[in-house]
Amino acid sequence: AQTVTQSQPEMSVQEAETVTLSCTYDTSESDYYLFWYKQPPSRQMILVIRQEAYKQQNATENRFSVNFQKAAKSFSLKISDSQLGDAAMYFCASGANSGGSNYKLTFGKGTLLTVNP
Amino acid sequence: NAGVMQNPRHLVRRRGQEARLRCSPMKGHSHVYWYRQLPEEGLKFMVYLQKENIIDESGMPKERFSAEFPKEGPSILRIQQVVRGDSAAYFCASSPLAGVLSYEQYFGPGTRLTVT
Repeated sequence: AQTVTQSQPEMSVQEAETVTLSCTYDTSESDYYLFWYKQPPSRQMILVIRQEAYKQQNATENRFSVNFQKAAKSFSLKISDSQLGDAAMYFCASGANSGGSNYKLTFGKGTLLTVNP
Repeated sequence: NAGVMQNPRHLVRRRGQEARLRCSPMKGHSHVYWYRQLPEEGLKFMVYLQKENIIDESGMPKERFSAEFPKEGPSILRIQQVVRGDSAAYFCASSPLAGVLSYEQYFGPGTRLTVT
């Protein structure tokens, strides 16, 4: 079984500054993936970034990067040079890469990010 | 390549009516997943289907809910005799393959169901 916890219901950041969203997870799987999804007001779920647990190097996608601490089961998202379009609900998610249910994503409750001009 | 299509985007039903939600996966995708998002919550897995097969429905309520993915046409999530607690956003996702590449799940825009 997997659980994902996002302890920050809301965060705010000034435009052009950096913000970090926290996520911790728990899993009995040895091989798994972690994800950050963005849900803007349109409610469309958009994949922001993905991290394979077996990779030590932190994933990066343009202004988005993660800090993956496997031993601590922590997976935070850093958004650099925040833009108004980054305002959205952000969900952390995990999925096992083996076993009988290696397709099921488990989501946290989300962090609502506000970007102030 | 069109993305995952869901319709309707908004659906209002009175208690006791049936709700039928449709999902057309991306072209070339034969794996479909349904998730439900209750207010103030993250998405919760409901069911995983391949063409003409239900692979895992462990997240689906035992009663009133059913899902199908026929050989031709969209995947359908059906909720019979809806109750107020069914009000939620229902998301469909699709992927081209099972296994590790199933994590490339592309989500549709969701259907927001309101039960009055």
